[in-house]
Amino acid sequence: QSALTQPASVSGSPGQSITISCTGTSSDVGFYNYISWYQQHPGKAPKLMIYDVSNRPSGVSNRFSGSKSGNTASLTISGLQAEDEADYYCSSFTSSYTYVFGTGTKVTVL
Amino acid sequence: QMQLVQSGPEVKKPGTSVKVSCKASGSLSTASAVQWVRQARGQQLEWIGWIVLGSHSTNYAQMFQERVTITWDMSTGTAYMELSSLRSEDTAVYYCAANVVGSTWFDPWGQGTLVTVSS
Repeated sequence: QSALTQPASVSGSPGQSITISCTGTSSDVGFYNYISWYQQHPGKAPKLMIYDVSNRPSGVSNRFSGSKSGNTASLTISGLQAEDEADYYCSSFTSSYTYVFGTGTKVTVL
Repeated sequence: QMQLVQSGPEVKKPGTSVKVSCKASGSLSTASAVQWVRQARGQQLEWIGWIVLGSHSTNYAQMFQERVTITWDMSTGTAYMELSSLRSEDTAVYYCAANVVGSTWFDPWGQGTLVTVSS
């Protein structure tokens, strides 16, 4: 199972919106709507930000939103803030009842 | 609220095995599965495998299939991940994470366990 493809880095100024893509195949991203997104600050465990493509857990800012089209999922962060600077990973459940993560995207707030 | 607490750091020699534990506390009844994920320094997250708590059935990523065993001790609420035939490339932080009943996402996560493989 190959890792899902994400851009290595995305940057934006405070207040701007950015979008991170996550591209897989018809056996993972395109197979189910079981896509989740995680935020990871240096030295910390990942934190769930989005589940089932577009749902936010309690406590996660509504500036974070998710979507999916075909074999590509996306995470959008609107109103970018300094605290959003972190690494972001997508994850998908697969047709083989396994999971796969994305390659990770470093978000920089300029 | 369920919490996951992992065992401490390990230093192992190549060719040996390591067993990392992940103890669940709090609302254990809400957990349906435990996942294991690793991350080498500066690298991406890598899924290792999972165990369904009710049936003890497991599924592993192909690259770990021959070397990993994940188990669950219901009496203590503790999951274990054992990785054998260690090599230097296995040096990483190993995380456990839980699936709440009915979910396919990972939440909560353990704090991570650093495993260092060095001769």
